[in-house]
Amino acid sequence: ETGVTQTPRHLVMGMTNKKSLKCEQHLGHNAMYWYKQSAKKPLELMFVYNFKEQTENNSVPSRFSPECPNSSHLFLHLHTLQPEDSALYLCASSPTGGRDEQYFGPGTRLTVT
Amino acid sequence: QKEVEQNSGPLSVPEGAIASLNCTYSDRGSQSFFWYRQYSGKSPELIMSIYSNGDKEDGRFTAQLNKASQYVSLLIRDSQPSDSATYLCAVGGNTDKLIFGTGTRLQVFP
Repeated sequence: ETGVTQTPRHLVMGMTNKKSLKCEQHLGHNAMYWYKQSAKKPLELMFVYNFKEQTENNSVPSRFSPECPNSSHLFLHLHTLQPEDSALYLCASSPTGGRDEQYFGPGTRLTVT
Repeated sequence: QKEVEQNSGPLSVPEGAIASLNCTYSDRGSQSFFWYRQYSGKSPELIMSIYSNGDKEDGRFTAQLNKASQYVSLLIRDSQPSDSATYLCAVGGNTDKLIFGTGTRLQVFP
């Protein structure tokens, strides 16, 4: 595996379900990010982790819970979602965060029914 | 004022023409500048980075940076229909993140 991978690529879940999105980077980077992109809307930064520490939570509802066990893995735990949470969820990584270039994974297309 | 501004487009150019995409930013302390290409339904792909004033060329792409005017642009020469996508400008400064613009949709017609 190379670059940034995300699983699953597609997810359909009910409003009462609990699911997790997984991201793994194979680039040796130390910063990882979660973004949300709704249809025809710009990227919204959700969370930033730098050296496993959360450095930004962009006022994200508590039904989204991130976890970063090490610099290579990032999870987004989902529970009690709303239909408006349906979107493309993108993971990215960068060498040391801040002004570094970011590399994106392919994304998880989430549909909440 | 938005931190990173781009015209949403669409910018329509004929095949073979030069497409010119523009981006302005508000933070004078910004130090890194990136262009990403995003096809519909796909994730953003990094295509250019620039850090100092002037031009940087990579194949058909040229990035131009003018820090005094707080302006960065992307030129695509010999535009192809496969270049049709949304182009995102991203700017890095002294925070823990890049600031992304809302993107410019480019349409290249045959």
